[in-house]
Amino acid sequence: SQQGEEDPQALSIQEGENATMNCSYKTSINNLQWYRQNSGRGLVHLILIRSNEREKHSGRLRVTLDTSKKSSSLLITASRAADTASYFCAFKETSGSRLTFGEGTQLTVNP
Amino acid sequence: DAGVIQSPRHEVTEMGQEVTLRCKPISGHNSLFWYRQTMMRGLELLIYFNNNVPIDDSGMPEDRFSAKMPNASFSTLKIQPSEPRDSAVYFCASSTGTALAPYNEQFFGPGTRLTVL
Repeated sequence: SQQGEEDPQALSIQEGENATMNCSYKTSINNLQWYRQNSGRGLVHLILIRSNEREKHSGRLRVTLDTSKKSSSLLITASRAADTASYFCAFKETSGSRLTFGEGTQLTVNP
Repeated sequence: DAGVIQSPRHEVTEMGQEVTLRCKPISGHNSLFWYRQTMMRGLELLIYFNNNVPIDDSGMPEDRFSAKMPNASFSTLKIQPSEPRDSAVYFCASSTGTALAPYNEQFFGPGTRLTVL
């Protein structure tokens, strides 16, 4: 089973700036999800986008999915110090039975 | 709802000892997942259950690992005998879904940090 690739591995920005994280995969998927993990805590689900959707919004989050490029991006607008965390994409391959997580992007938002 | 509950939160044990990790999923969720997270390997799915039945255990690293779900509100992950390379954070997660489509939003517990000396 392939692991998703995320970039950048680490991102440091100032409060108020936008943060963009990318995720790529190699096969066909049913859906793609984004999760956040604060240090020492469990993962928290942020948003799910299905393979027939191209864009989805939730508050300050915007997720896009390009199935032709096999990639997704997570945009956090007007970032806050509280957004500091690791962000993971996770996807379900159509041929597989498991959810595969990416390697994560460590986001640091400086006040 | 209290969310997914895991115990213990921290476990330090010596090589060769048996370790049992416990999980209580969110009431009404019928899918339960055990994950392991390390710096080297990231987040790995070990096993998942649907309606208390193990559906995919291909992620279980070896026979030293076993998992059970005797009822809808309780699951255990056991390592016997434990080895230093088992040191990791173990997460339990639950969700709604079917055996073939279990991957709706997953709710994660706080994790158990296991250290095997």
